[in-house]
Amino acid sequence: ETGVTQSPTHLIKTRGQQVTLRCSSQSGHNTVSWYQQALGQGPQFIFQYYREEENGRGNFPPRFSGLQFPNYSSELNVNALELDDSALYLCASSLEGATNEKLFFGSGTQLSVL
Amino acid sequence: RKEVEQDPGPFNVPEGATVAFNCTYSNSASQSFFWYRQDCRKEPKLLMSVYSSGNEDGRFTAQLNRASQYISLLIRDSKLSDSATYLCVVGTSYGKLTFGQGTILTVHP
Repeated sequence: ETGVTQSPTHLIKTRGQQVTLRCSSQSGHNTVSWYQQALGQGPQFIFQYYREEENGRGNFPPRFSGLQFPNYSSELNVNALELDDSALYLCASSLEGATNEKLFFGSGTQLSVL
Repeated sequence: RKEVEQDPGPFNVPEGATVAFNCTYSNSASQSFFWYRQDCRKEPKLLMSVYSSGNEDGRFTAQLNRASQYISLLIRDSKLSDSATYLCVVGTSYGKLTFGQGTILTVHP
């Protein structure tokens, strides 16, 4: 167990809807990164939040947005869902200054867009 | 061109076999290198870090060649429990990892 929890575990939405995914980071971790993993692909970096500010973003459109709260938990919001947004969404928490090796992944949210 | 390229396989090997996976990366500014293991749509888990000097963890040996931008993983004496997807991963800055597509390994009796 990594101590990183994600909710919900599974979600079904229809095209055009909006979705919010949640992540609670491991105790003491102030950085959260989000990844999207489509079927048959490796995870792709969406963005990272550090102390409630976005700290880097991958090649994802603006309809992918996020928040980090004072307790360092985080949300990923996706607007105007498209069929291609169907994927496993992973969050990973880490502590500032730690190396990439100290990245802890949650078990993910499986999103299906119909 | 993908930033991290791997042969997706699948590799089907008998128990006890030795199997090698390779990957290449395109960003010469990459700072850290890893192999992750992922089981059946679960979260990726760190298998081992990869260093230029090479490193070994039991049956697993990883190697990095910075000049060729090439990373390898060798698994000796394969076990049924080694069946999984192996992800080659490159870190360019803290917390931002670039994953390869993954290589599927199936070890059969």
